[in-house]
Formats: sequence, structure tokens, C-alpha cells
Amino acid sequence: ETGVTQTPRHLVMGMTNKKSLKCEQHLGHNAMYWYKQSAKKPLELMFVYSLEERVENNSVPSRFSPECPNSSHLFLHLHTLQPEDSALYLCASSQVQGNSPLHFGNGTRLTVT
Amino acid sequence: RKEVEQDPGPFNVPEGATVAFNCTYSNSASQSFFWYRQDCRKEPKLLMSVYSSGNEDGRFTAQLNRASQYISLLIRDSKLSDSATYLCVVIRDSISGYALNFGKGTSLLVTP
Repeated sequence: ETGVTQTPRHLVMGMTNKKSLKCEQHLGHNAMYWYKQSAKKPLELMFVYSLEERVENNSVPSRFSPECPNSSHLFLHLHTLQPEDSALYLCASSQVQGNSPLHFGNGTRLTVT
Repeated sequence: RKEVEQDPGPFNVPEGATVAFNCTYSNSASQSFFWYRQDCRKEPKLLMSVYSSGNEDGRFTAQLNRASQYISLLIRDSKLSDSATYLCVVIRDSISGYALNFGKGTSLLVTP
């Protein structure tokens, strides 16, 4: 399997649920990202992990909790979300050195009810 | 000033037309530039890199103007399937740190 894979593709959860989004990259990259994209809005960077260390957290609410156990895997743990958190969540990876472009996964479309 | 800026559009053009988008960047230390395409409700996909000498891929031409700090994307002979949002990406990797910035995208609608 190649590229960046995200699971699940679709997720519906209640406000009191706890769920996790998973991302796996098979490109040998050393940086991984979580982006959020709400309907008809631009990409919003949420978290960046470079060499497995979190290097950026763009003031994301604590109900979103990332985890990067190794350079190939990235998780986004979700708990007590709000309906306005419904969006497309995109994972991406890149090679930080050499200024390589981002490669995105297919995304998880999240609906919070 | 935002690090990367794009005209959001929408650009409505007839099939067969030539259309061009610009993307300006504020940091002169920026080093790498890319154009992405994003279809509705899908992930962005890399369209092409932008090289200093300019580069062409079929109907698509990308150019970089370092003096004026912008990149451009030219689409010739537009197809209906070119309708999408086009995002520019600017990367800066320097002593001060690594930064990757997306523009907010330019929407293109090609009509019959």
C-alpha cells in the first residue's frame, strides 16, 4: 500500500462520544500534519509533527488531542466534540528537508450530532 | 500581511478559454512553490511544482517571479474537468525555522 491512508472515511459521533482518527503514510516522510476543512472554507492547520515531535499547535481546542507514536502513524483523538467541529479532517505528510510538497490522505468526513 | 494570498474568485470561463491565477507571497526567503488542485469535498492533490525557470505540463504552465514575489498558473484550452479550487503552497526552510503555507485557493468554473 502506498501514499497516505486515513481511516475511517466517514464518522458520525455524538457530542459525548470518544473516537480516534487514524493516518498512516508509506512515503518515508518525516513530518505529518492534521488539517481541518469546514464546508466551503480554506484549510486550517491544526497540528504538525516533525521527526515525531509536535512543532505547531494552532490554538486548537483541547477536545482534539493528537498522537504521533512514530514517523509513519498519526492519530487525532476526539472527545466531547461540538456540532461546529463537523468538517473534513485531512492528514498529510512531507519530507521536511528538501522542501518537498505535502501529500494528503483522502480525509475523514466527520459529523457531530 | 498574510504570508500567502490568492484571489478567491470565482473565475467563470468558457470551455477552451485561457485563464491565469496569481499567488503572492510575503517572505522573500521562500524557497519552494507548488500548485494544488482541490475538487469539492475531496483532498488537495499536487498539480505541479513551480521552478525558477518556469515549467509546463500539458495545458498547464507555472511560473515564478521572485522579484515581485508571486507565482502564476496558466491553464490553456480549459476543460469542464478543470473546474476546481486551485491552491498555492509556499515553503520556507531557513535558520528561523520551517514554514509551509497554503493560500486560501482560487475557484475556477469552466462552463460549456
